[in-house]
Amino acid sequence: NAGVTQTPKFQVLKTGQSMTLQCAQDMNHEYMSWYRQDPGMGLRLIHYSVGAGITDQGEVPNGYNVSRSTTEDFPLRLLSAAPSQTSVYFCASSYSPAGGRPYTDTQYFGPGTRLTVL
Amino acid sequence: QQQVKQSPQSLIVQKGGISIINCAYENTAFDYFPWYQQFPGKGPALLIAIRPDVSEKKEGRFTISFNKSAKQFSLHIMDSQPGDSATYFCAAKLSGGYNKLIFGAGTRLAVHP
Repeated sequence: NAGVTQTPKFQVLKTGQSMTLQCAQDMNHEYMSWYRQDPGMGLRLIHYSVGAGITDQGEVPNGYNVSRSTTEDFPLRLLSAAPSQTSVYFCASSYSPAGGRPYTDTQYFGPGTRLTVL
Repeated sequence: QQQVKQSPQSLIVQKGGISIINCAYENTAFDYFPWYQQFPGKGPALLIAIRPDVSEKKEGRFTISFNKSAKQFSLHIMDSQPGDSATYFCAAKLSGGYNKLIFGAGTRLAVHP
């Protein structure tokens, strides 16, 4: 299993540009989420999904859109990038209690995307 | 009320010493308290976790101590090694529904040989 993969690893954008951060997992996890990591602030939840077709907002959703058309993929879209969105972005996945398997709260994180907005 | 406060921000320990990182919370609806370890350039990875029905959990050199009445929990790393040098995050999960984690700000640990 590759686990959780993210692309790209690094990205530089100009203010106002749009882009999509890709996230995929091959563990058949129902739950997926996006976090941003900023110095001194830990990880903050942006958006999450409890299954294909179902998404919801986290702590810091403004400026980001998500969709979940398949179990495997959970892309994060920045429609008009701003310097305040300069951060490291992590995607994570985990099982759901309704998945029919022994449940664990463990979240599995991808390697991250470092985004700079100029 | 959903905050998790973590201290210290940074910690320097000599090889073989004990590293201690503390976290405090307010929301009594939290039901799962994990610690994540993150190496530079990598994503966080679960290190150890505890539920509030126990006061201590030990896995090898890593121990979580949990004080429900004080709403505090801590990570102890015994016999700290240079390979333990990383950033450590405590977190807490609200009971019910999606396993939404609230993270502390992180502690950067450096273990000197």
